[in-house]
Amino acid sequence: GAVVSQHPSRVICKSGTSVKIECRSLDFQATTMFWYRQFPKQSLMLMATSNEGSKATYEQGVEKDKFLINHASLTLSTLTVTSAHPEDSSFYICSARDFGVGAVAKNIQYFGAGTRLSVL
Amino acid sequence: AQKVTQAQTEISVVEKEDVTLDCVYETRDTTYYLFWYKQPPSGELVFLIRRNSFDEQNEISGRYSWNFQKSTSSFNFTITASQVVDSAVYFCALSEAGSNDYKLSFGAGTTVTVRA
Repeated sequence: GAVVSQHPSRVICKSGTSVKIECRSLDFQATTMFWYRQFPKQSLMLMATSNEGSKATYEQGVEKDKFLINHASLTLSTLTVTSAHPEDSSFYICSARDFGVGAVAKNIQYFGAGTRLSVL
Repeated sequence: AQKVTQAQTEISVVEKEDVTLDCVYETRDTTYYLFWYKQPPSGELVFLIRRNSFDEQNEISGRYSWNFQKSTSSFNFTITASQVVDSAVYFCALSEAGSNDYKLSFGAGTTVTVRA
């Protein structure tokens, strides 16, 4: 399968600082990337959809000023958690959609390894 | 409304037993995709399989097999002769052609524990 790289894998920061998380598709171009948040023992919650060259689309209840998303190229999307607070501590996972080429849509989301954010 | 239901929260088996994970989905779209992902303790989601709504063929890949039945809106997953390395959380997901960007709707996940 395709490879999606996510960095950093773990971040510990003080309250009030901003944290940037990178998501890269290594061997395919991804016009669409997604950012998820996962709480312990729960499923993935979609935060936003990121399309290359356009503004991200946020899910209801997700603060766009708190979670800044940039998708500047076909292989890179970034999530910046601004002025992080302890309640932002969570596991953040990105995915990149490989739509494929040709008549048959591949349409598979490949996921990064996740970033565990701890805000003190 | 929950689009994907995984009724089993946790399953515990002894190594070499078979385990079947249930997945029931709900959609009004005629074109949709179904997925299974594995999330081991490390956290990364590993893609296992994708099925589109027009392909009801069952599939076998090694010890894994999938049973897709549109009549019952189910896409069940069986691990044959389970091994300790199969211990993980397994998510079933649905992607609808009618949704923006083919977003994934995930089930709650089933935690599989395989004991030696």
